[in-house]
Amino acid sequence: NAGVTQTPKFRVLKTGQSMTLLCAQDMNHEYMYWYRQDPGMGLRLIHYSVGEGTTAKGEVPDGYNVSRLKKQNFLLGLESAAPSQTSVYFCASSYVRGQGHEQYFGPGTRLTVT
Amino acid sequence: QQPVQSPQAVILREGEDAVINCSSSKALYSVHWYRQKHGEAPVFLMILLKGGEQKGHEKISASFNEKKQQSSLYLTASQLSYSGTYFCGTDWAGSYQLTFGKGTKLSVIP
Repeated sequence: NAGVTQTPKFRVLKTGQSMTLLCAQDMNHEYMYWYRQDPGMGLRLIHYSVGEGTTAKGEVPDGYNVSRLKKQNFLLGLESAAPSQTSVYFCASSYVRGQGHEQYFGPGTRLTVT
Repeated sequence: QQPVQSPQAVILREGEDAVINCSSSKALYSVHWYRQKHGEAPVFLMILLKGGEQKGHEKISASFNEKKQQSSLYLTASQLSYSGTYFCGTDWAGSYQLTFGKGTKLSVIP
């Protein structure tokens, strides 16, 4: 099993450009999440999904959109990138069973917006 | 509301013990602990649920004090491999969304 994978690993964008980050998991997990990590800020939740076809806003959703058309994939879109969106983006997934819902993280995408 | 972790950073010599605290101003449903090494993804360590149950993972254990809304991570006889940043993630309503603290950077030196 590959676990959680993210594409691409690195990307440089100019202000105003758009891009889509892809997250894929092969663990049949119901829940998927997108976080951003900035120095000294910890991990902040952007959007999440509790199942195929459903998405919801997290703590810092502005400037991002998401889609979950297939259970195994969760896409994060930036329509018009801004320098403030320079960050490391992590995708995670979890399988809600009983009282355990540990999250499994992908390797991250380092995005720089100039 | 983001949980508060303390200390922000700690340096240990191999074999020493450390405690990392995570406090919330809101009633907690569960607390997760993750470790992240530089340039890598966070890795799950353990989950604590309401009820104050203590969990263990090798020489790393944790407790959850429901009255104080606080969790503590205990690292005993630290090893070089314990170095990294430790994050607690709190779940207030059983919603499976986590709010993470800013992290505690642990450095273990020979």
